[in-house]
Amino acid sequence: ETGVTQSPTHLIKTRGQQVTLRCSSQSGHNTVSWYQQALGQGPQFIFQYYREEENGRGNFPPRFSGLQFPNYSSELNVNALELDDSALYLCASNLRGSGAYNEQFFGPGTRLTVL
Amino acid sequence: DQQVKQNSPSLSVQEGRISILNCDYTNSMFDYFLWYKKYPAEGPTFLISISSIKDKNEDGRFTVFLNKSAKHLSLHIVPSQPGDSAVYFCAVYNQGGKLIFGQGTELSVKP
Repeated sequence: ETGVTQSPTHLIKTRGQQVTLRCSSQSGHNTVSWYQQALGQGPQFIFQYYREEENGRGNFPPRFSGLQFPNYSSELNVNALELDDSALYLCASNLRGSGAYNEQFFGPGTRLTVL
Repeated sequence: DQQVKQNSPSLSVQEGRISILNCDYTNSMFDYFLWYKKYPAEGPTFLISISSIKDKNEDGRFTVFLNKSAKHLSLHIVPSQPGDSAVYFCAVYNQGGKLIFGQGTELSVKP
């Protein structure tokens, strides 16, 4: 069973650029969530996708967008990068089932630095 | 507004002693709580959880206590081991089924 993987590991961009981060869900999982973890903070929920549709969004502007593909891999896109977007971006997957709370499995993250 | 708070950014304990990590939350409607552990360069990994219908849940050396009236939960690690050194996050599921994390507490267990 393959765990959650993310690419790239590290990324450096400049203000105003656009970035795409990628996530491959754990095998069999149909739900993916993205989180932003700033230095010294806990992960903050960006949005979640279930069966290729957005299923909830945190307090992030529209320039943060996402996609989930039929194979349940996912992308996070950020447009017009700002310095404050520098953070660790975490992807988590889970199998949405009959239970209300399904354990989320996290990838190792992508460290984004915006200069 | 921080709905989940971990007021201690760091904690240092001696190997073999008890580690107690604390977490406070603001919304009495929260009903499922989790602890995650994170090593550098890795994603958070699930450690233990508790439902609001319980006040204690044990898993080996790890025990989580929930005090609903105080809106407080704690994680006890007994005995602490050097391999437990990591950042620990308290998290809750909100009404929309999304995880809300605290700021984390960095635990250092000294040999």
